[in-house]
Amino acid sequence: DGGITQSPKYLFRKEGQNVTLSCEQNLNHDAMYWYRQDPGQGLRLIYYSQIVNDFQKGDIAEGYSVSREKKESFPLTVTSAQKNPTAFYLCASSPNLYYEQYFGPGTRLTVT
Amino acid sequence: AQKVTQAQTEISVVEKEDVTLDCVYETRDTTYYLFWYKQPPSGELVFLIRRNSFDEQNEISGRYSWNFQKSTSSFNFTITASQVVDSAVYFCALSEASSGTYKYIFGTGTRLKVLA
Repeated sequence: DGGITQSPKYLFRKEGQNVTLSCEQNLNHDAMYWYRQDPGQGLRLIYYSQIVNDFQKGDIAEGYSVSREKKESFPLTVTSAQKNPTAFYLCASSPNLYYEQYFGPGTRLTVT
Repeated sequence: AQKVTQAQTEISVVEKEDVTLDCVYETRDTTYYLFWYKQPPSGELVFLIRRNSFDEQNEISGRYSWNFQKSTSSFNFTITASQVVDSAVYFCALSEASSGTYKYIFGTGTRLKVLA
């Protein structure tokens, strides 16, 4: 059963703590992405990775970090430097950078 | 500059009505792809369709149909005989394949409410 998993679905953290969001795919896709979505808004690209051990900043990378040590995994760390971290985070993957993206169920992060 | 415009922020229809969601795009590339995604209340985006810039054929899949017109830079999505389960936010997206840099742009979405 191929797909993308994100865990956890809901995450609560205190301000000043770093938190890592998990994203795993078994679709054998080369490219992976992280997006942020705020209430009533569209998607904003945080980071993307075209291949293992390579990733690029998206439009709103400040305060976030990623790694891509395995093809299947693309974890996102929300650092204490991110000023407004409360949001819905979506991970996606695709066969290449230009085709359709397949999304995970998302993680709703609340920082208080 | 690349851009995707979904001017309809929210649309409400009664079940069984037809509804068209508009998408207008801007690009300088000759090779590009257009997409529609559905985001139901659960939050996970679901891919619906991809069209490439060289194929203007309209597509029909069940109650869904798509009208791609390069002359007006539009890629509209029609749902025939809408159902309550069609209630979601729909995103149009554009990717460019020939510019050498990564560009994948989502529109701001159209929220569709289908009332029983």
